[in-house]
This record gives sequence, C-alpha cells and structure tokens, in this order.
Amino acid sequence: NAGVTQTPKFRVLKTGQSMTLLCAQDMNHEYMYWYRQDPGMGLRLIHYSVGEGTTAKGEVPDGYNVSRLKKQNFLLGLESAAPSQTSVYFCASSYFSPPNTEAFFGQGTRLTVV
Amino acid sequence: SQQGEEDPQALSIQEGENATMNCSYKTSINNLQWYRQNSGRGLVHLILIRSNEREKHSGRLRVTLDTSKKSSSLLITASRAADTASYFCATDSFSGGYNKLIFGAGTRLAVHP
Repeated sequence: NAGVTQTPKFRVLKTGQSMTLLCAQDMNHEYMYWYRQDPGMGLRLIHYSVGEGTTAKGEVPDGYNVSRLKKQNFLLGLESAAPSQTSVYFCASSYFSPPNTEAFFGQGTRLTVV
Repeated sequence: SQQGEEDPQALSIQEGENATMNCSYKTSINNLQWYRQNSGRGLVHLILIRSNEREKHSGRLRVTLDTSKKSSSLLITASRAADTASYFCATDSFSGGYNKLIFGAGTRLAVHP
C-alpha cells in the first residue's frame, strides 16, 4: 500500500534554480492537491487538480506551476526558486470532492532555498 | 485567508488527562474534518463530521460541531504520550467552481508521561 508518494524528500536549491516535485498516488483518486507548510501558518493550498488534465489555483499559487498529465501524478514546479519558497511541501489526494471524503497525504518534501 | 483557526495554539498535559482543542471557521461549511500530524510526517485523517451532525465519536476521540457558532471541538480522552502531535481542522471552501480543503494553523499537543 504505497498511498501517496512524494519525490524527493529533501532538496536544497540556490536562488534562481528550478525544480519539479513529483507526487504519485496509487488509489485512483480524482482530486490531488499541493500544500505548503510554514511554522505558525498551518497548511496553505498552492494548486489543486480535480481530474486528469485539469489544474486550478489555490491560496498561494504565485511562483509555482503544476501539471496533471496522468491521473496518478501531480507535478509541482518552481521555475525560479526564491528564499521565500523555503518550506515543507505536502501532496494530498482524495477520491471525491472535499469535503465529502478524507484526504490522504504524502510524507512531505523539505525544500530549502539559499 | 484561512477558513479554520484552532485554539489553543499549544497545549501541554499529563498522561491520562483529557485534551480539548477548538476550531472556529468563518463561512458556512458542508463538513469539517480533523487531522493529526506527527513531527516530520504527513497528515493523517482522524474524523469527519457533517454539518447536520452535532457529535461524533471514534475510539478516544470525540468531535462536536456547532454550526450556529461556526465552531468545532476535538476531545481526546485519557491521553497518552503517543498522542503528542499537531492537530488540524479542515473545512471546505468553494470558489472558482470547485470545493477545496482548507486547513487551520493547528494545535500542538504535548502529552507528558
């Protein structure tokens, strides 16, 4: 039972570099989400997807892009990393639209931008 | 802006005591969920309570919902050291044509042996 798997688990970037975070789920879920977690801020929604080929902006989308080319994968891209993007990133998925079902979370990616 | 906000931000208790965490939200909801996060880990779903329910139980967890006050509480009875974690409430937020799950800042619970 893999559930939701995030790759990589840790990463250090220099300002201006780009990277892609990968989220994969094996539960055939329609909905997928990317959150960032900062101390004292809780989880803030960056982008989400309601199905293959769809993406939508969340609360804090600036500086990030996403793609959902395959139902099981949801990619989060940082085109030009900034120190303000230092955070822990969580991917989640759910079968139905929230709030009608629970969300399953990955273990997180700790990103540091120096 | 965050939909749900937990109170207190931090709670420290002894093993065996009960722990109560509160969540307030701003707009109407369909359901409310509680999640737990152990240090350095992802969130794990604990319980979902629907807007037409007032109370729900799951093991040592008891959740109440008061839609008139736009608030919910999570009670953990007979706490254990293993309950040490952060607890988050999550509510739905409809915008842009879709429902999204929005989290509060969480309550950090420390249970001391």
